[in-house]
Amino acid sequence: DIQMTQSPSSLSASVGDRVTITCRASQDISNYLAWFQQKPGKAPKSLIYAASSLHSGVPSKFSGSESGTDFTLTISSLQPEDFATYYCQQYYSYPFTFGPGTKVHIK
Amino acid sequence: EVQLVESGGGLVQPGGSLRLSCAASGFTFNSYWMTWVRQAPGRGLEWVANIKEDGSEKYYLDSVKGRFTISRDNAENSLYLQMNSLRAEDTAVYYCARDVDCNYWGQGALVTVSS
Repeated sequence: DIQMTQSPSSLSASVGDRVTITCRASQDISNYLAWFQQKPGKAPKSLIYAASSLHSGVPSKFSGSESGTDFTLTISSLQPEDFATYYCQQYYSYPFTFGPGTKVHIK
Repeated sequence: EVQLVESGGGLVQPGGSLRLSCAASGFTFNSYWMTWVRQAPGRGLEWVANIKEDGSEKYYLDSVKGRFTISRDNAENSLYLQMNSLRAEDTAVYYCARDVDCNYWGQGALVTVSS
């Protein structure tokens, strides 16, 4: 199975900060990588698919990039509504696997 | 507007069975793979199974193979997850999601396996 790791596991940031979350795959997954945002008690919401393509309706402050088996989610200017847990997922090889999540806290 | 609505969750004893349903609307259901994802209390997301547009291909998480069955009824725009031989570790909120990249999610259905 492909293992997905995320770093950091949690971070504290202030409104207006630029935030970067990294996801690493244990083997090549091409660009079959998605990012999700989940707020407490709510269903996850799709942000990015194919490593860097923004899902419909997602604000452009979110962006994704890839470098080999490392993938990055960047939030350009953190807003109060962005405090949440973020997950990556590979959909290249079965079983599809999620990263453990990165919780973004208010500083 | 894409909508996915799960139903069928509840409390079941270990070894019991439950069938989850997901009603889809707002898109051409028979043009998309569909996926089930679960989340145990306080834990992360775990992919469970998915099914091809016409139901001809199905894939499962190893720990549910032989116990869970994913199916769909394209005439009814519905996705199902039949869960048998349930274990305490299957306790979770179960989400249905559209496509292999889970681009839309339902609100989830809570399944609790406990005596």
